[in-house]
Amino acid sequence: EAGVAQSPRYKIIEKRQSVAFWCNPISGHATLYWYQQILGQGPKLLIQFQNNGVVDDSQLPKDRFSAERLKGVDSTLKIQPAKLEDSAVYLCASSLNIAGAGDTQYFGPGTRLTVL
Amino acid sequence: SQQGEEDPQALSIQEGENATMNCSYKTSINNLQWYRQNSGRGLVHLILIRSNEREKHSGRLRVTLDTSKKSSSLLITASRAADTASYFCATDDQGGKLIFGQGTELSVKP
Repeated sequence: EAGVAQSPRYKIIEKRQSVAFWCNPISGHATLYWYQQILGQGPKLLIQFQNNGVVDDSQLPKDRFSAERLKGVDSTLKIQPAKLEDSAVYLCASSLNIAGAGDTQYFGPGTRLTVL
Repeated sequence: SQQGEEDPQALSIQEGENATMNCSYKTSINNLQWYRQNSGRGLVHLILIRSNEREKHSGRLRVTLDTSKKSSSLLITASRAADTASYFCATDDQGGKLIFGQGTELSVKP
């Protein structure tokens, strides 16, 4: 079974530029998550999709971050414009069932973003 | 905000020794999960323990949960150099949202 795929693996941009990350979850997984992990900290949930609807985006900085999940499969996370404090690893995860079932979340390798 | 707090923040042991990591949390949970993260890689799920369970085993891993104290521990027995990684506890609220702690950085020396 293929795992969660993410691209790019690394990205370096200047502040105020835009950047987009892509995630392909495990086939058939209904729920998709984007996390931000700042160096030395645990991951923090940014947004959670169930199929193509948003379940929780309470910690997404909506003035600069946006995310979509087209057709309930792939997802993109965009930052526009980026700030220095956005430097982090962005992790995508997926789980089989709907939110609240306590299912295992499977994580991708992450995209390491550096904002200069 | 971080729900779980791991203790210790860093742990260094010799191969063959046991490693114990603790996690405390603040609010009621549906379940608690432990994840491992190797340097530069994504997180790997290790074990899930539900709120009505007290202990769970998986290979060399043993997890306990004390809901009255809002705490959990992860024990890795007979550690190996390959166990070197960061370990995170994550609590799951009713909505399936995982809240991760800061992590324990484990170093196992050959």
